[in-house]
This record gives sequence, C-alpha cells and structure tokens, in this order.
Amino acid sequence: GESVGLHLPTLSVQEGDNSIINCAYSNSASDYFIWYKQESGKGPQFIIDIRSNMDKRQGQRVTVLLNKTVKHLSLQIAATQPGDSAVYFCAETLTNDYKLSFGAGTTVTVRA
Amino acid sequence: DSGVTQTPKHLITATGQRVTLRCSPRSGDLSVYWYQQSLDQGLQFLIQYYNGEERAKGNILERFSAQQFPDLHSELNLSSLELGDSALYFCASSVEGQNNEQFFGPGTRLTVL
Repeated sequence: GESVGLHLPTLSVQEGDNSIINCAYSNSASDYFIWYKQESGKGPQFIIDIRSNMDKRQGQRVTVLLNKTVKHLSLQIAATQPGDSAVYFCAETLTNDYKLSFGAGTTVTVRA
Repeated sequence: DSGVTQTPKHLITATGQRVTLRCSPRSGDLSVYWYQQSLDQGLQFLIQYYNGEERAKGNILERFSAQQFPDLHSELNLSSLELGDSALYFCASSVEGQNNEQFFGPGTRLTVL
C-alpha cells in the first residue's frame, strides 16, 4: 500500500505486504529528517532518521528515502505486521536549530 | 519506555483555571522540549530548555510559560485556560540542545470544560 503526500492521511495495508508512507516537507533548507511512530495513547517513538547528505538509509524492516529535489521523504516498511498499526509522522529540522516541525501524519492500519 | 516521564497523565479543569504539567527527562539529557498535539493543529513545538535556560520558542501562547529546574525536570504552566487549549501535551528530551534524536514522554491529556 502507498499513501500520497499529506492529502491521504490513512493507509490500509495487508499484513505481510510492504508499506510506503510519503511526506512532503516544507523547508528546502532542512537537513535532518526523522520518522516517528505514534501508537494510540502513547508519545511519538523514533523509528529512523536521515541527514541531507544521504538519499537512503536502512534500519530493521524500515527504509527511509530522501529526495531533496522535490522535498520528498518516504518511509518503507517491509513485511508489515499488526504491531505496525499506528500514526506515522515525518519531522524536519535544520542543523543548529532546536525544534522539530512535524507533518500531519499518516494513519496506517494493518489488515489481518 | 522512552525514559521520559510526565505527570499527570490526565487533567480535567475548567476555563479560566491554571494548571502545571511536569516532565522528567531521561537520565543524562540536558534538553527538554514541549509540544502540543491537537486534532486541528497536529504536533506543534512550544518551547525548549537546555540545562536550565530557554533555548528556543515556537508557537507558544503568552498565557503559557515553562521552566527547567536545576535537577533538569521541567514544568509547563498553562493559565487562563480556554476550551481550545484541550490537547495532548508532550515533553521530549535529548542529550544535547540541537539536532538530536528526541525521546518523547507518554504525554498529558488536558481537557478544559
């Protein structure tokens, strides 16, 4: 399953399939990006980050892709599991800045 | 568990009242951030403290204030509360003051009636 920018804030994916969550960030000067996962009733949890000198970074079952030309960030989750059901936020910031600017979030629902 | 603690977990109060939210950062973290999460505004940065000093301000109303104490815990004070202040308030902490992974607490849900 795949979401498109911030206009489709929900994503339904079959268990075992790969998920792609997209984010269009706003500041072309941003050079540090983070994906957070927020489960119901909990605070955001760090998933993976990437700096602007990279195009791709892989973690455990997750990959973040950065396209600075079009200011686009994506999070790929391999073999999506029921525990992946959550709201996913991208966040951007600048080196020497202190605050994170969050996107609107995408709600991912995993179907059994 | 991120290691960041927040109290209380839930808070219900009336318009015009004043409340204090408390945050204890992870052991060793010097920086504390406050965020507000509401349905219409999403996650918004409010303010940051680093080792007791205010470091950055975001979309924080004048009715709101914060401080960080010598033991590094922080408090967010919300006064003259309005219905629109109902939201989740998160505290996050990081080791340094900038461009570092922030660890979020479980949040305080504030309901203003």
